[in-house]
Amino acid sequence: GQNIDQPTEMTATEGAIVQINCTYQTSGFNGLFWYQQHAGEAPTFLSYNVLDGLEEKGRFSSFLSRSKGYSYLLLKELQMKDSASYLCAVINSNYQLIWGAGTKLIIKP
Amino acid sequence: GAVVSQHPSRVICKSGTSVKIECRSLDFQATTMFWYRQFPKQSLMLMATSNEGSKATYEQGVEKDKFLINHASLTLSTLTVTSAHPEDSSFYICSATTGDHLNQPQHFGDGTRLSIL
Repeated sequence: GQNIDQPTEMTATEGAIVQINCTYQTSGFNGLFWYQQHAGEAPTFLSYNVLDGLEEKGRFSSFLSRSKGYSYLLLKELQMKDSASYLCAVINSNYQLIWGAGTKLIIKP
Repeated sequence: GAVVSQHPSRVICKSGTSVKIECRSLDFQATTMFWYRQFPKQSLMLMATSNEGSKATYEQGVEKDKFLINHASLTLSTLTVTSAHPEDSSFYICSATTGDHLNQPQHFGDGTRLSIL
């Protein structure tokens, strides 16, 4: 089977740093996406990794290790508006997009 | 860039009604469009993938006669929920990709919240 694992929920403090992990087992790999989804809204694209290493984009960074089937999304200088669900999704060898269940991130003042 | 418009944003209607949802790519040509359904506090569930000018590919368990998808142009796809019932109430979201490769990010519409009474 194919599956993606992420923590169900995480809590962090405003101004702090949080790392959301994602591990995957898929039939092949053609890239990994991170999306942000606020409650009641559609997902918005955050990042795409296809090669090993860290991709930095402002306060958000995404890391990939293909050999370990592992990625993380790093959020720095957390703001209240970062409270949302963060979805990890992997493209397999058939170019199907496999979605994780998402990690609900709660930011406290 | 890469804006996807979805309409309507909310529908409330009686059981047995058919509902059409439109998904438009405003500033790009969408070679592939996707339709998702999401129940409260659950993950996105892919219903079907559609390419312009060809029949949609439905995921296992999704009734193609119930959920009619038409991708008539490179900028428009429609989902029609036929004879909707209360169990069809959900958040329906479309997305589209640019380019010829499916490893492009998906750009999402704002979603349609469907409530069947």
